[in-house]
Amino acid sequence: GIQVEQSPPDLILQEGANSTLRCNFSDSVNNLQWFHQNPWGQLINLFYIPSGTKQNGRLSATTVATERYSLLYISSSQTTDSGVYFCAVEGTTDSWGKFQFGAGTQVVVTP
Amino acid sequence: DSGVTQTPKHLITATGQRVTLRCSPRSGDLSVYWYQQSLDQGLQFLIQYYNGEERAKGNILERFSAQQFPDLHSELNLSSLELGDSALYFCASSPSLARADTQYFGPGTRLTVL
Repeated sequence: GIQVEQSPPDLILQEGANSTLRCNFSDSVNNLQWFHQNPWGQLINLFYIPSGTKQNGRLSATTVATERYSLLYISSSQTTDSGVYFCAVEGTTDSWGKFQFGAGTQVVVTP
Repeated sequence: DSGVTQTPKHLITATGQRVTLRCSPRSGDLSVYWYQQSLDQGLQFLIQYYNGEERAKGNILERFSAQQFPDLHSELNLSSLELGDSALYFCASSPSLARADTQYFGPGTRLTVL
């Protein structure tokens, strides 16, 4: 099946800083999503982005499908951005709807 | 509040036992997803149901089964439990089968197998 690698594994930011999280995948994808899990465990679906660029407030994401990577940008970070960010993909050779998750990037935003 | 509810919040049981986790999707959502999150395996997609029918299957063990009922709530049944089944089990729902649909997650059920 498709392999998903996220980097960096850990990130410590000062409030107000910008950062970029990366997701590399090993094959073509039909679906790529970014998720955030806050420190209390709640999961939120951030973006559906198998290609192109999207923005939602201070977060934006870009997927370059031909080069098999996706980037999540956090601008002007706030303490509420802390948590783990996961990338999940559905490969074109995988069965429909079968997601594969990366190991996540743990982000800590300090005041 | 995502609108997705899961019960129970915590469950402690013994090896070899069987448990049932319940999920109520957001009003109007027809798709339900189940995920497992453990320290060893990370986040894993287990299974998806749409309007009562199984639509996608992930890394779900044969000891596990799920169903979605006519009122759209879903249950995940875990049997012959092993220590390694200890994990957080999340349910999510979305309006349809569209890949672009946002998934809304419940708060999870923490299962501890002793």
